[in-house]
Amino acid sequence: SNVLNQPPSVLVAPGQTAWVTCWGDNIGSKSVHWYQLRPGQAPVLVISHDRDRPSGIPERFSGSHSGNTATLTISRVEAADEADYYCQLWDSSTDHVVFGGGTKVTVL
Amino acid sequence: QVQLQASGPRLVKPSDTLSLTCTVSSGSLSSFYWGWIRQPPGKGLEWIGFVFYTGGATYNPSLRSRVAISVDWTRNQFSLKLAAVTAADTATYYCTRETHSHLLDSWGQGTLVTVSS
Repeated sequence: SNVLNQPPSVLVAPGQTAWVTCWGDNIGSKSVHWYQLRPGQAPVLVISHDRDRPSGIPERFSGSHSGNTATLTISRVEAADEADYYCQLWDSSTDHVVFGGGTKVTVL
Repeated sequence: QVQLQASGPRLVKPSDTLSLTCTVSSGSLSSFYWGWIRQPPGKGLEWIGFVFYTGGATYNPSLRSRVAISVDWTRNQFSLKLAAVTAADTATYYCTRETHSHLLDSWGQGTLVTVSS
């Protein structure tokens, strides 16, 4: 079964770029999705299928996937981007939803 | 745009059954999976399971012996029941809509359920 790993935290200055990585064995062939969790708010899908941006998500959010690592990139970071970010995939071998451990993005 | 709203008791006694209902607004239950995710305080997201709109369900193996998710077409709702709860089941519970490619495109606000006597 798949295990997804994420760094616990990422620090970034306003206006700079934040990279949040998600890695695991055998995820190269799977689609990775990303969610933003802010305190007191409903989680939001920010990237689907590795790199697609849902309607309403700023262009500053982008995604990529190479080999066994997926990356969420937040360009021109704003204070409002401070949140926890989780990667997720579907493990078809076990029919389970799998989440990474989450990354706290802190805007300095 | 579909909206999800969970409701149910916020305080449950140990060994009792946790019951939550999610009401789906501005959308139909058809053609989607409907599920539950939880987040214990200070921890990450944990997938609980989902039910397909036809009624078939899939659960996290770690919870399978205690959990049941069902749909109610007449009320446009789906429900979670988690039996024999302990303090470890204290968490914010989210109801979700899941697509055929198993991404979670809509989430409810989240409701904190505390297990305590």
